[in-house]
Amino acid sequence: EAQVTQNPRYLITVTGKKLTVTCSQNMNHEYMSWYRQDPGLGLRQIYYSMNVEVTDKGDVPEGYKVSRKEKRNFPLILESPSPNQTSLYFCASSLAGTSGGVLNEQFFGPGTRLTVL
Amino acid sequence: KQEVTQIPAALSVPEGENLVLNCSFTDSAIYNLQWFRQDPGKGLTSLLLIQSSQREQTSGRLNASLDKSSGRSTLYIAASQPGDSATYLCAVTYYNTNAGKSTFGDGTTLTVKP
Repeated sequence: EAQVTQNPRYLITVTGKKLTVTCSQNMNHEYMSWYRQDPGLGLRQIYYSMNVEVTDKGDVPEGYKVSRKEKRNFPLILESPSPNQTSLYFCASSLAGTSGGVLNEQFFGPGTRLTVL
Repeated sequence: KQEVTQIPAALSVPEGENLVLNCSFTDSAIYNLQWFRQDPGKGLTSLLLIQSSQREQTSGRLNASLDKSSGRSTLYIAASQPGDSATYLCAVTYYNTNAGKSTFGDGTTLTVKP
C-alpha cells in the first residue's frame, strides 16, 4: 500500500531534549516536505526536499533541522525543543517535475502530535 | 510573500444543497493547486489537483476550477451530505525560484446539517 508513515504519532517531551520525528514514503517520490499545523495559523511549511541531499527552508524553519540521505526518508530533528514547537506535524511526499516544481498531488502522513513541556 | 486566502472561514448548509468554497492566491506563478479535506484531529486527504495549465478537475460530486489570471480557485460540492462535514483546505505550489514551496489557506470548515 502506497503510504507516508510518521513516527512517533504522539510525543510528550521536555524543553531542550533533542528529538527526531521520522518520515518514510514507499512511492519513490523525489519531493518530501514537513509542515506544522497550529490553531489560528493553519499549515505552514518548515522544510522541503526536492531530492536526495537537496533541502530548502520553508516559511518557518527556525529551530528545526532536516536531512535527506535516502530518497524514502526525511527525518525532522529538533535539537533543543521549546514549548512554542508544540504542534501537529505532518510529512508529505510527491513526484517532482522536471522544471523543479511539485509535479503531482502531495500525499500526507497521519501526523505527529508533539507536546513540549 | 505568497498568500492563500479561503473565504468563508466557516459555512453551514442543509443537506442536499450545492455549495462553493473559495480559494484566492496572490502569486500567479503557481505550479499547481490542490484541494484537501481534513476531519477533526485527522490527517489530510487529497481531493483534487489542478495543474497550472488546466481549468478544472472533477471527481464524483466535486468540481474544482482554476483561474490563474484572477488568482482564484473554487471547489464546487454538489448535493451535499452530512458526511461532507469537514475542513477543506487549498494549497498552492510554485515553480521558478520558489519551486518546492507550498502555501496553504486557513481552510473553510463546512457543516452539512441533516
